[in-house]
Amino acid sequence: QVQLVQSGAEVRKPGASVKVSCKASGYTFSRYGVSWVRQAPGQGLEWMGWISTFNGATEYAQKFQGRVTMTTDTSTSMAYMELRTLNSDDTAIYYCARNWDGVDYWGQGTLVTVSS
Amino acid sequence: DIQMTQSPSSLSASVGDRVTITCRASQGIRNDLGWYQQKPGKAPKRLIFGASSLQSGVPSRFSGSGSGTEFTLTISGLQPEDFATYYCLQHNTYPWTFGHGTKVEIK
Repeated sequence: QVQLVQSGAEVRKPGASVKVSCKASGYTFSRYGVSWVRQAPGQGLEWMGWISTFNGATEYAQKFQGRVTMTTDTSTSMAYMELRTLNSDDTAIYYCARNWDGVDYWGQGTLVTVSS
Repeated sequence: DIQMTQSPSSLSASVGDRVTITCRASQGIRNDLGWYQQKPGKAPKRLIFGASSLQSGVPSRFSGSGSGTEFTLTISGLQPEDFATYYCLQHNTYPWTFGHGTKVEIK
């Protein structure tokens, strides 16, 4: 069965960076892109961008341009999302999700807390 | 960016009720829309893709309709496990955008 398993919770200070990982299993990794979506505490869902696992092409929401990098490692079926220059507004749960007609399967989420 | 206006933002309903949630897109998105259910502390789960296709394993009481700018999610016969927050997502144009969510609560 399709599974996306993410790395554990992180705490960072303002100005730092964080890198969240997402391990895919149960399907051919290179056939589906990976999106990243975040959810601030008590708020709605926000799409950050996606990466093609086939050729590494990316599409980032303008809000995150210059601050986010999405990468994949097809040899290990891993996807990564790095967010830099963190501030308190970046405190959120970060989800990876498989792209198929939008997104279908989701990871369990990774809580990133930004606090001094 | 395409704005997804979702309504209502919350509703109270009883078990067995028919519930309708609407998403309106600020421009046409064909049928590039999905509906998601999220329960507290859990990741979202897709219910509907392509505006009207039922995701495998999802009960048939969930249905979606619409195309272009107006979309509807209907729950026919609300069950206790359906109390959750529901979101629409358009994936026609970057950046993909979600509706702000509809919280379905017990009356």
